[in-house]
Amino acid sequence: DQQVKQNSPSLSVQEGRISILNCDYTNSMFDYFLWYKKYPAEGPTFLISISSIKDKNEDGRFTVFLNKSAKHLSLHIVPSQPGDPAVYFCAASAGGDYKLSFGAGTTVTVRA
Amino acid sequence: GAGVSQTPSNKVTEKGKYVELRCDPISGHTALYWYRQSLGQGPEFLIYFQGTGAADDSGLPNDRFFAVRPEGSVSTLKIQRTERGDSAVYLCASSPNRVSSGELFFGEGSRLTVL
Repeated sequence: DQQVKQNSPSLSVQEGRISILNCDYTNSMFDYFLWYKKYPAEGPTFLISISSIKDKNEDGRFTVFLNKSAKHLSLHIVPSQPGDPAVYFCAASAGGDYKLSFGAGTTVTVRA
Repeated sequence: GAGVSQTPSNKVTEKGKYVELRCDPISGHTALYWYRQSLGQGPEFLIYFQGTGAADDSGLPNDRFFAVRPEGSVSTLKIQRTERGDSAVYLCASSPNRVSSGELFFGEGSRLTVL
């Protein structure tokens, strides 16, 4: 039962433009959402997070938007840079639970 | 090193064999987690340790899987009678304590291939 879904397995963006990664969830108990970035042969690394009490969180080039009514969140990367190609995972947890539910990931490529 | 260390990085075994995967967490991190990432999927929770005890093993798929953390630091994931479906990347993560934010520090993973 996939509670976190990333419906786009891949995204190609031109360098300098905006990358928008989308994530949907089904569990209404989720109240904390995270994005992880994974390079080949490395473990996922934390990128940015958002609590359900907020609808936006920004950190440098990365902004996460949360739409609770739609059970949808998105990650915006502006501008896209050559170091951004990686797999981006959306993850969620409920009630301070340590168990994260991950999406299947979106592979981002950046065109010069 | 400063990060989570996992060994071996790659393990190829035959169906029915026994396998051990080791995780050395970041020094001082009391919480340790094992996740499994199958091809084309995101990581799936297996087990969580707080100190030496397995606080939650609800993600272990069956009784062929077992994990220990005898001294509250290094953990070993043990898989008995391996099956081809066990092939995956096994990720270990640690955090300073039971973290409510979900920010985990992952190792590079151990890729298990069962022939």
